[in-house]
Amino acid sequence: KNEVEQSPQNLTAQEGEFITINCSYSVGISALHWLQQHPGGGIVSLFMLSSGKKKHGRLIATINIQEKHSSLHITASHPRDSAVYICAVRWRGGNQGAQKLVFGQGTRLTINP
Amino acid sequence: DGGITQSPKYLFRKEGQNVTLSCEQNLNHDAMYWYRQDPGQGLRLIYYSQIVNDFQKGDIAEGYSVSREKKESFPLTVTSAQKNPTAFYLCASSNLGLVEQFFGPGTRLTVL
Repeated sequence: KNEVEQSPQNLTAQEGEFITINCSYSVGISALHWLQQHPGGGIVSLFMLSSGKKKHGRLIATINIQEKHSSLHITASHPRDSAVYICAVRWRGGNQGAQKLVFGQGTRLTINP
Repeated sequence: DGGITQSPKYLFRKEGQNVTLSCEQNLNHDAMYWYRQDPGQGLRLIYYSQIVNDFQKGDIAEGYSVSREKKESFPLTVTSAQKNPTAFYLCASSNLGLVEQFFGPGTRLTVL
């Protein structure tokens, strides 16, 4: 069983719909990272979270530390949002060196026009 | 432009041959990482390095080797000992102590 679980694994929606992607993890973390992987394979960072909520444009990320759960929301979805969305966590107690992350398996989002 | 480059984007090799994947960054990051991605699975850490001339095994290091002779370069060699080398390989870098990692465009390796 993966220590970081994402749901759903695949999501298809119509343009304009509100999208929610979920990430659950098993033990305490110090930070959570949401990433977007384009169809060509390149990965870009969307958000870093350790508490609360962050917003950037149409994207909103929230985290509930007590429930060990984070959500990524996309408002007014658009076909260009079609990508794989990945969450990654750093377990609590991480050092000050290189950061070993544990990744979810990704959620493949397809937005149809 | 600052960033991470990986080359080539697509690589084909015959079974039994070693192959080296390139990763270069000009972000002045101390830490560099190699990941492997297989369909339906999360990224898995192969090796990472925090400083020149030092590197550590990740979760799936068997059949791989790395070097870190320069801060900006972290090449990965996929050896013939790797049982199932066909995969998408991603290189990343970060500042020490910071969680946010920056990724290269990836190399898709196919072993025939």
